[in-house]
Amino acid sequence: QKEVEQDPGPLSVPEGAIVSLNCTYSNSAFQYFMWYRQYSRKGPELLMYTYSSGNKEDGRFTAQVDKSSKYISLFIRDSQPSDSATYLCASSMEYGNKLVFGAGTILRVKS
Amino acid sequence: DTEVTQTPKHLVMGMTNKKSLKCEQHMGHRAMYWYKQKAKKPPELMFVYSYEKLSINESVPSRFSPECPNSSLLNLHLHALQPEDSALYLCASSPTGGNYGYTFGSGTRLTVV
Repeated sequence: QKEVEQDPGPLSVPEGAIVSLNCTYSNSAFQYFMWYRQYSRKGPELLMYTYSSGNKEDGRFTAQVDKSSKYISLFIRDSQPSDSATYLCASSMEYGNKLVFGAGTILRVKS
Repeated sequence: DTEVTQTPKHLVMGMTNKKSLKCEQHMGHRAMYWYKQKAKKPPELMFVYSYEKLSINESVPSRFSPECPNSSLLNLHLHALQPEDSALYLCASSPTGGNYGYTFGSGTRLTVV
C-alpha cells in the first residue's frame, strides 16, 4: 500500500465548475499536507499547505484535511481552462524534510 | 528572488559521458533536494542536503553523485548513465525542513542515448 493514494484521472470538467480533488494517506504520523500544481514540462508549484486537520482558503482554492479519516481534499471554485494541469498532494511528518507525493491527478477544464 | 534556477533546461548525453546538473537559489533556504520524475509519475526523492550536508540518500546508484558547494548551490554529477535514467530532474529548496512546502525549479530534461 502506498503511503499517499491519489486517483490519476484524468478528470474533465466544464469551465466554471467546482472541482474536487482528493487523496488518502495511511501514515498516522503525517502532520503537514500540501497541494502542488504541475503544468506540462514544468516543475511543481506549491498551491496550499495545511498543518493537521482543518480548512485553508486562498482565493478560488480551498484545502481540507480530515485526520480522523486520513482524507485530503482540494476544491477549486469557478474553474478556468488555465487550471488544466496535474495536481499532486503531498504529506510529511512533524520532523524531517521528506515529502511523500501522491500519484497526481490530471485535471482538464474545457471552455 | 523567490526562484530555484536549474541549468541546463535540456541535456542529451551518451552512456559514457560525464555531465553535471546545476541548481541555484537565493532565498536563504538551508535544505535542498534532488528529485527524479518520469513521465506521468510523481517526483521521487533522490537526495536531501541540510545545512550543506547530505542527510538523505534514497539508495540512489553511484552513477549519480550530488554535491553542495555552499548554501545556495546544488550540483548533480552524472557518469555512465543508462537510457532508463532519462527523466526530468528537479531541484527544490525549503527553509529548513520541508514541512511548509518546497520551492521547485523547472527541471532539467535529461535524455540518455
